[in-house]
Parts: sequence; structure tokens; C-alpha cells
Amino acid sequence: GAGVSQSPRYKVAKRGQDVALRCDPISGHVSLFWYQQALGQGPEFLTYFQNEAQLDKSGLPSDRFFAERPEGSVSTLKIQRTQQEDSAVYLCASSLSTSGKFEQYFGPGTRLTVT
Amino acid sequence: SQKIEQNSEALNIQEGKTATLTCNYTNYSPAYLQWYRQDPGRGPVFLLLIRENEKEKRKERLKVTFDTTLKQSLFHITASQPADSATYLCAAWMDSSYKLIFGSGTRLLVRP
Repeated sequence: GAGVSQSPRYKVAKRGQDVALRCDPISGHVSLFWYQQALGQGPEFLTYFQNEAQLDKSGLPSDRFFAERPEGSVSTLKIQRTQQEDSAVYLCASSLSTSGKFEQYFGPGTRLTVT
Repeated sequence: SQKIEQNSEALNIQEGKTATLTCNYTNYSPAYLQWYRQDPGRGPVFLLLIRENEKEKRKERLKVTFDTTLKQSLFHITASQPADSATYLCAAWMDSSYKLIFGSGTRLLVRP
């Protein structure tokens, strides 16, 4: 069956540009997570949605980061006025459970490079 | 703040041997520990989950232990194969939050 998909897979942005990263979770999955992964590090939590409600956004690094999931399925992570330190792989994960304590299914990630 | 520590040095072993990876946590008590496998250019893939009241969990050639006294989880791959070469991530879940806290991963290389 279809897994979690993310687009684009690669994005190059000039410093100061806005970017939008898309996540299509597994159909029917209630929970959706965004993570940021720097090279050689583990994924770092950014934000969590339960259906359309954003229940935790404590991991978003600054107010330039914004995420939404308006209809409880597809989610978009937007980064405004990108900076070089935003360069990383952005991973999306979904879970059937109402929290993420059971297995999470990850997408392939979007590699963002800010020049 | 809550942290998960994994050995940052790569583990290099001979095919057929048992690989043992370590995950340590410090000043908190996770309700669950999860282990994931990540290949280059791909997202993590879930392998096993163990609850704080479980000592050991097995799945095929994989075994995970959870020692709440030592604040440690061990991940074993028996009869390792070159196809097991990947980075293995440990992650902790606390019921007080929605966050899965990941370690930085340990790279496993299995030589044929």
C-alpha cells in the first residue's frame, strides 16, 4: 500500500526565500509529525497534529516556521525568509494511534539546501 | 532536558556475529522506547517497541531489552548479514508529551 509521501524531495532556496514542504500521510492516520534532521543527527521533533488540530508546536525553531493540516490529512510545513541554518532534511511521519507512542511511519524526507 | 545517547562510533562486525547497540537515557523515565532503522537518503523505518514494564522483546533476529535501573536499552541483531548495515536510531516516548526523542544513531557495518 501507499506509504507516507513528501514533496519535493529536494529543494534549493536562496537565503530569504519562502518555501513550502508537503506531506501526504497514510490514509486514515490520525497523528502527523514533522521532524528536522541535520546531517549525522537523529530526527528532532518540530510539531504534532492530531487530525487538524496542532497539539504541540514546541519544537518549531522560530516564528518563521509554520505548519498546517487544515483537513486532517495533507500537511504543509512553511518556512519564511529561509536562513542557512534551516538547511536540513525535513521528515514527516504519521501514526494510526492518537499519539505517537506506537510506531510512526516516515516519509523519505525533503532535503532543503539554503544558499 | 531529555536526551537519548547512542554510541556515535560506527560498529563494524563480521557477518554471522551478533551486533549489540546501546541506548542510554539520563534524567527522565520514558514510557516506551522505540528502535528504527535508517538507510542513506531514506526515512527511518520502525523495528521494535518496548514498554517500561517489559524486560525484553523479540522479533525474528532482533531483540531489545529495557533496563530501567541502568536507564539503558540494548538492541541485538543475531546472525548479522551485510544487508543489516544501516544506521539504527533509538527513540524515547514520554506519556507527558507528544514527542518522540531520538538519539543520534549508531551506524552498523556488517562485513561479508
